[in-house]
Amino acid sequence: QVQLQQWGAGLLKPSETLSLTCAVYGGSFRDYYWSWIRQPPGKGLEWVGEITYSGRTNYNPSLKSRVTISVDTSKNQFSLKLTSVTAADTAVYYCARGVRVWTDFYYYCYMDVWGKGTTVTVSS
Amino acid sequence: QSVLTQPPSVSAAPGQQVTISCSGSGSNIEDDYISWYQQLPGTAPKLLIYDNNKRPSGIPDRFSGSASGTSATLGITGLQTGDEADYYCGKWHGSQNVWVFGGGTKLTVL
Repeated sequence: QVQLQQWGAGLLKPSETLSLTCAVYGGSFRDYYWSWIRQPPGKGLEWVGEITYSGRTNYNPSLKSRVTISVDTSKNQFSLKLTSVTAADTAVYYCARGVRVWTDFYYYCYMDVWGKGTTVTVSS
Repeated sequence: QSVLTQPPSVSAAPGQQVTISCSGSGSNIEDDYISWYQQLPGTAPKLLIYDNNKRPSGIPDRFSGSASGTSATLGITGLQTGDEADYYCGKWHGSQNVWVFGGGTKLTVL
């Protein structure tokens, strides 16, 4: 049973850097796409970005200038850094495993395992 | 950026059925290979449906998915109070390399 365990600082001041890490236990790390998703209080899901085992990344264009996602394959972990945070970055941050399946004619994607979430509050 | 539009809320009585729509900006949402997620209060999202209509192991067949034209639909039959949750549709936008989620639909079981 694959589990994602995440951790990081929960209280930040404006202009500081958010830093979270997600560890993958019980399954392959190589064959998937590893995402961060956030959810502001009372709002919907917003994808932050993803990384592969090889370190290839994709980011939400609205956050790209402030986001870095990195991977440590020796520990089966991936991390999120978000710089210059403001109150608008206050949210629950989730890590998740993304699956991509190729058929003869198309490919489809989904996120099948999620971490429990880390609440990050930005306040002076 | 592609947008997925969901109704903010739906409601139905226990034992009844409900559908939640997810409208896309393209002409054929089947090609978006929509996935659906259930988020119970205070918990992380959980995968319900992938590839428009497939259920992961362990998801009851009370939950179903379909897609046609410009909308995908999540159906839930035999509603239970434990189904009260927020439901999100999502898709990988391959040409832009981004994940997109709908705004979410709050299901109330009256």
